[in-house]
Amino acid sequence: KAGVTQTPRYLIKTRGQQVTLSCSPISGHRSVSWYQQTPGQGLQFLFEYFSETQRNKGNFPGRFSGRQFSNSRSEMNVSTLELGDSALYLCASSLGGRSYNSPLHFGNGTRLTVT
Amino acid sequence: DAKTTQPPSMDCAEGRAANLPCNHSTISGNEYVYWYRQIHSQGPQYIIHGLKNNETNEMASLIITEDRKSSTLILPHATLRDTAVYYCIVRVAGLDDMRFGAGTRLTVKP
Repeated sequence: KAGVTQTPRYLIKTRGQQVTLSCSPISGHRSVSWYQQTPGQGLQFLFEYFSETQRNKGNFPGRFSGRQFSNSRSEMNVSTLELGDSALYLCASSLGGRSYNSPLHFGNGTRLTVT
Repeated sequence: DAKTTQPPSMDCAEGRAANLPCNHSTISGNEYVYWYRQIHSQGPQYIIHGLKNNETNEMASLIITEDRKSSTLILPHATLRDTAVYYCIVRVAGLDDMRFGAGTRLTVKP
């Protein structure tokens, strides 16, 4: 079974631009979560989507947004990029559903560099 | 903030067992203990999880104390490829908001 796929693998953007990252979850997984990893803050939760609805959100500004499609694929968008947004952005998928206790499975991330 | 405490670094000799401790003294009854590892430039890899019983899979064993306030991840025969940062996380069942701490950097030496 294919793992979580994130595209693109690397991205370089300029301050003020916007960016869209894509995530394809493991087949059959309905929940997709996004995390930001930086050397200073470590891994931080951005948001979680389940059945096309955001059901949990971390402590990030509104410039960070996401969505999930009917096939469970997800995108996250960052508008008005700042230098501090340079990070590894990780997507994770799980079976989802509050009654499940299925592990999260992570992709290898998109490394975003803002110049 | 992460609800776990781990040593920042550990060394292990190749072929020996690696025992990684984790303290989670404030764990709630509905929280599971999860372990992940991250090799440089890759996403975190799921290893194992448990609630109160000891667990074993093809990668590792998880030993949880009876009071559930601490646990130990055991890699029975460490190899050089096990060199990574290991994260211990407590997670409410079904919630994907996982609070990662700084983890333990395990270095397996020949």
